[in-house]
Amino acid sequence: DQQVKQNSPSLSVQEGRISILNCDYTNSMFDYFLWYKKYPAEGPTFLISISSIKDKNEDGRFTVFLNKSAKHLSLHIVPSQPGDSAVYFCAASGRAGGTSYGKLTFGQGTILTVHP
Amino acid sequence: KAGVTQTPRYLIKTRGQQVTLSCSPISGHRSVSWYQQTPGQGLQFLFEYFSETQRNKGNFPGRFSGRQFSNSRSEMNVSTLELGDSALYLCASSLAAGLSYEQYFGPGTRLTVT
Repeated sequence: DQQVKQNSPSLSVQEGRISILNCDYTNSMFDYFLWYKKYPAEGPTFLISISSIKDKNEDGRFTVFLNKSAKHLSLHIVPSQPGDSAVYFCAASGRAGGTSYGKLTFGQGTILTVHP
Repeated sequence: KAGVTQTPRYLIKTRGQQVTLSCSPISGHRSVSWYQQTPGQGLQFLFEYFSETQRNKGNFPGRFSGRQFSNSRSEMNVSTLELGDSALYLCASSLAAGLSYEQYFGPGTRLTVT
């Protein structure tokens, strides 16, 4: 049972345009969400997070939107740059059910390619 | 601040052997979590340690174990290695305080079981 889903395996975008990466979750106990960027054979790099008490969080070129009723979050990258090309993972966590924020449940990832 | 460090970076073991991987968290971080990444299963949570106590455990067999020391450094051990244990093992640390629950990952240990 995949509790966090990234339905688009890949996304191709032109440099300077907006990249929108999507993520859906099924477990209503999740209340903290994160986005990571990953290169092959390296550890994920933290990008941005959002708590369920917010519906938007911005950090530079990165903005995360959370729609709790739809159990959906998205990461917007504006403007996209060739250096943004990587695999992007969304992750979710929550304290309910005896778990802690130390347990992240990851989506399967979306490969973003930004063309010059 | 130095990031999360993991040793060794690469390891080749034979089926049936055991292995110990080490993780040093970011200074001041009290929580250490371990993950396994494989092409088929993606990134999966193994366990989390906080103040030397296992606070959470994923769905892995008992051959996978870990511990945390008083300086927050952590080790994970896999006994009786199987071919399917070949993976990238990632350690992540977190301040785990207030509203800061971001996890910062190390570079990983690539384990190959032959």
